[in-house]
Amino acid sequence: GAGVSQTPSNKVTEKGKYVELRCDPISGHTALYWYRQSLGQGPEFLIYFQGTGAADDSGLPNDRFFAVRPEGSVSTLKIQRTERGDSAVYLCASSFGGGDEQFFGPGTRLTVL
Amino acid sequence: AQTVTQSQPEMSVQEAETVTLSCTYDTSESNYYLFWYKQPPSRQMILVIRQEAYKQQNATENRFSVNFQKAAKSFSLKISDSQLGDTAMYFCAFMPFLSIQGAQKLVFGQGTRLTINP
Repeated sequence: GAGVSQTPSNKVTEKGKYVELRCDPISGHTALYWYRQSLGQGPEFLIYFQGTGAADDSGLPNDRFFAVRPEGSVSTLKIQRTERGDSAVYLCASSFGGGDEQFFGPGTRLTVL
Repeated sequence: AQTVTQSQPEMSVQEAETVTLSCTYDTSESNYYLFWYKQPPSRQMILVIRQEAYKQQNATENRFSVNFQKAAKSFSLKISDSQLGDTAMYFCAFMPFLSIQGAQKLVFGQGTRLTINP
């Protein structure tokens, strides 16, 4: 694909449920980032992958959040025991290398009822 | 820790006018990048312009230019001949450059909602 894609575009779930959000980066991009954007705020960093490994996961808010990138391409953000405060738009971005322009996907809007 | 502050929550101008969006940041890093991103209602973040801190010359991209004042830690965006399609949220962002690992995460401001009126 030409750009970063994220699925689903919208996800509604109930409090306490488990959700997975998927990100397909631009082909050949080794760096992948997850950000969370709450309503009316700027995006906040969650985690950064260089290849298959998480180079920086300092932004993950607690141990209910986990992300993987097993083959160095597609990444999945996993949220356990969702809470209403997890409602936000989750943005994924990728770049050719760690210092290059980050290209963003359209985001997944997560709503926890 | 780095912080980015955008003091203008909303701005509105007439089409064809020039508008300037303000941004200040706080960091102890000496090497870093600064960015302006545009986010239309589609949610897609689009890079508008980028500035390397070591470059004294202000970046320019067509109708978009910046005023980078390193000592004052200020990075404003000027949009000339504004167009209806410029209506969007605009985010200022900072990225420290770590020479070993390379640049990493973006730190965003709170955003400025810009409306261009016909």
